[in-house]
Amino acid sequence: SYELTQPLSVSVALGQTARITCGGNNIGSKNVHWYQQKPGQAPVLVIYRDSNRPSGIPERFSGSNSGNTATLTISRAQAGDEADYYCQVWDSSTSYVFGTGTKVTVL
Amino acid sequence: EVQLVESGGGLVQPGGSLRLSCAASGFTFSSYSMNWVRQAPGKGLEWVSYISSSSSTIYYADSVKGRFTISRDNAKNSLYLQMNSLRAEDTAVYYCARGSGLNQFDYWGQGTLVTVSS
Repeated sequence: SYELTQPLSVSVALGQTARITCGGNNIGSKNVHWYQQKPGQAPVLVIYRDSNRPSGIPERFSGSNSGNTATLTISRAQAGDEADYYCQVWDSSTSYVFGTGTKVTVL
Repeated sequence: EVQLVESGGGLVQPGGSLRLSCAASGFTFSSYSMNWVRQAPGKGLEWVSYISSSSSTIYYADSVKGRFTISRDNAKNSLYLQMNSLRAEDTAVYYCARGSGLNQFDYWGQGTLVTVSS
């Protein structure tokens, strides 16, 4: 089965840049999507197809995907960006797969 | 505005059954695939099941295959999840989520809590 690995936590200073990685075998050949989930709330799609932002998502959120690693980048981090972030792909053998999740803390 | 509202969660004993519903509005329900995704307390997201727009294609996670059944009624703009033979490890918040073109989930409901305990 296909697996996606994320760091448990990432800390970032206010106004600085946070990078959250998502590792998977040849993930660069897949479409990667990213979700933000704040405590007690439903997930929200923040990046789809590696690097595209849905309407309403700030330009501070960006994504990339190559080789065995996809990356979500949060520029000029704000206190409101504190949340759990999940990557997700579709795999022909496993169907829909979520990453293990990363807790982002803004210091 | 797209809205997805889940209902039907609650406390059920191990081995019992429960039926979840998801009422959709604000979009042409019959044109979109739908999914159930769950999240155990303090844990990550786990995809549960997928149904295509016409119900012709259905997928399940291995963890629920043979016990859960997904269905939809496009005339009622509703999605369902029939859960049988429930186990303690099925305890979770269950979200319905709209599927989109590249297999992402672009809209989510607020979730309904299912607790399996004696």
